[in-house]
Amino acid sequence: LAKTTQPISMDSYEGQEVNITCSHNNIATNDYITWYQQFPSQGPRFIIQGYKTKVTNEVASLFIPADRKSSTLSLPRVSLSDTAVYYCLVGAAGRRALTFGSGTRLQVQP
Amino acid sequence: GAGVSQSPSNKVTEKGKDVELRCDPISGHTALYWYRQSLGQGLEFLIYFQGNSAPDKSGLPSDRFSAERTGGSVSTLTIQRTQQEDSAVYLCASSSDRDRGGNEQFFGPGTRLTVL
Repeated sequence: LAKTTQPISMDSYEGQEVNITCSHNNIATNDYITWYQQFPSQGPRFIIQGYKTKVTNEVASLFIPADRKSSTLSLPRVSLSDTAVYYCLVGAAGRRALTFGSGTRLQVQP
Repeated sequence: GAGVSQSPSNKVTEKGKDVELRCDPISGHTALYWYRQSLGQGLEFLIYFQGNSAPDKSGLPSDRFSAERTGGSVSTLTIQRTQQEDSAVYLCASSSDRDRGGNEQFFGPGTRLTVL
């Protein structure tokens, strides 16, 4: 599985846009990029998944450049409830176990 | 409910005792996973079941750990002769064949295991 690198922590304020970038230099041709969110004392929750270019859903956007060696999760207008750990994962299509790194701890201040 | 459920939510046991943790996946999901998470750490893969295939046990840390999945649904993770280092949150997840990317897993709330 491709290794991912993301910042350990980030701080933001309510109403701001937050962009968390993940590096995955060894991504394989059939790998997808997936982001999860985890609140304290809860299991991770799927946020968004993409293969290339841009994906948007009701929660976030995922930007993937042409070389796919990195990806950026964009959270528009964050609120206090977006304070969580965000994990970037890369893996081939197919149902398989995921490799979670340490994630990015996002702290949103009022 | 429609989500993944796990029981018990909390388990406190004494060193050396056996424990069983249960996971009820989302109905119809063919894949089931067990992970564990130590305080402040990322998730560590333990075992993966996919349909009727032989499970992927490559993440089990020792032979004290085992898991079963009966009837393609409920799964039980058993830890024998528990040790203090087994203390962690044990998370179960399931996923559907219809997930094109294959990486959308639905997690349960976890079982917090404390070994005294």
